[in-house]
Amino acid sequence: SQQGEEDPQALSIQEGENATMNCSYKTSINNLQWYRQNSGRGLVHLILIRSNEREKHSGRLRVTLDTSKKSSSLLITASRAADTASYFCATGGATSYDKVIFGPGTSLSVIP
Amino acid sequence: DVKVTQSSRYLVKRTGEKVFLECVQDMDHENMFWYRQDPGLGLRLIYFSYDVKMKEKGDIPEGYSVSREKKERFSLILESASTNQTSMYLCASSFGGNGGSYEQYFGPGTRLTVT
Repeated sequence: SQQGEEDPQALSIQEGENATMNCSYKTSINNLQWYRQNSGRGLVHLILIRSNEREKHSGRLRVTLDTSKKSSSLLITASRAADTASYFCATGGATSYDKVIFGPGTSLSVIP
Repeated sequence: DVKVTQSSRYLVKRTGEKVFLECVQDMDHENMFWYRQDPGLGLRLIYFSYDVKMKEKGDIPEGYSVSREKKERFSLILESASTNQTSMYLCASSFGGNGGSYEQYFGPGTRLTVT
């Protein structure tokens, strides 16, 4: 059963532009996480936002969470070629025994 | 830095072989996970473990088993490899306990080809 769905599936932008990816989910969550995956590698955790938080920043990343709309967005500002990767949202349950469910991902290409 | 290592980056096996994928983490994490990743399907959870000798089925456990004899090591076993198990296999670990799920730390992945 898939929880998170990223939108768009693919995004191509010029270096220096901002990139926005969205994630929608279906059921109540305890937290939502964003991960990055460079081609052929493992995933790297970017940011975790809890259900009682609305916005979180980390460097050039800004994540928002709207639990009433069951959606989240990831904004990467002033993108760089090195940001080229796939980005996944993952929804977490109320306990550590609950599965974290990953969406299918957004493929971001940043053109130098 | 948290380190999660997987025994092989690339592996080629024949149909019917028994395959072992090993994963080791060095951060004393309680939880460990095995996923497979296929194009268009994202990450799918095969099994996870929240303690030594404990295991829980994920979304696609059929054809797989796991073993966790020590806290730092989580093994995925393909009892009789089949071509539809050709995939990228990702291991991850995280803290456990109460308070909700935590960020997961991933290994580099094993690309398994079954011929």
